[in-house]
Amino acid sequence: ETGVTQSPTHLIKTRGQQVTLRCSSQSGHNTVSWYQQALGQGPQFIFQYYREEENGRGNFPPRFSGLQFPNYSSELNVNALELDDSALYLCASSLVGSHTGELFFGEGSRLTVL
Amino acid sequence: ELKVEQNPLFLSMQEGKNYTIYCNYSTTSDRLYWYRQDPGKSLESLFVLLSNGAVKQEGRLMASLDTKARLSTLHITAAVHDLSATYFCAVDYSYNQGGKLIFGQGTELSVKP
Repeated sequence: ETGVTQSPTHLIKTRGQQVTLRCSSQSGHNTVSWYQQALGQGPQFIFQYYREEENGRGNFPPRFSGLQFPNYSSELNVNALELDDSALYLCASSLVGSHTGELFFGEGSRLTVL
Repeated sequence: ELKVEQNPLFLSMQEGKNYTIYCNYSTTSDRLYWYRQDPGKSLESLFVLLSNGAVKQEGRLMASLDTKARLSTLHITAAVHDLSATYFCAVDYSYNQGGKLIFGQGTELSVKP
């Protein structure tokens, strides 16, 4: 059973650029959720994808967008990067309807915006 | 507004001592999670609490859930240095769809000899 994998692990961008982060979900899971964790804070829910559609969104602007593919992998895209977008981006997979609803997190992609 | 509040936010303990981290939340939920995070690392799942009165224990850590009081506790018994990390509680507000968590601010635990 493979766990959640994310790429890239680290990246540096400048203000105004665009970034794409990728996530492969754990085997058997059909839902991917993305979280942003700024330094010294708890993770914040960005959005969730299920059946290739957005299935709930946190308090993030439209320049944060995503995709889910038929194999349940996912992308997070951020346009017009701002300094405050610097954070650890965590992807988590889960199985809709599971008894525990437990999320399994990847190692994260650390984004620095200069 | 949906809120999850932890206290304390910082905790410096001596090895061998006991302490409790508190997690209060404002929304109705029957699912609460505790995670551990080491510096620069991802989140490691510690406990999943699914019902009122649930109690789970693993080694020196014990977690409990009181859904009526909207309170969860993480109790540390006879702390050791290896427990130094940041601990987060998180509440599921997705009405059992899963995946949509509100996290607390985290409690940074430092265990000193």
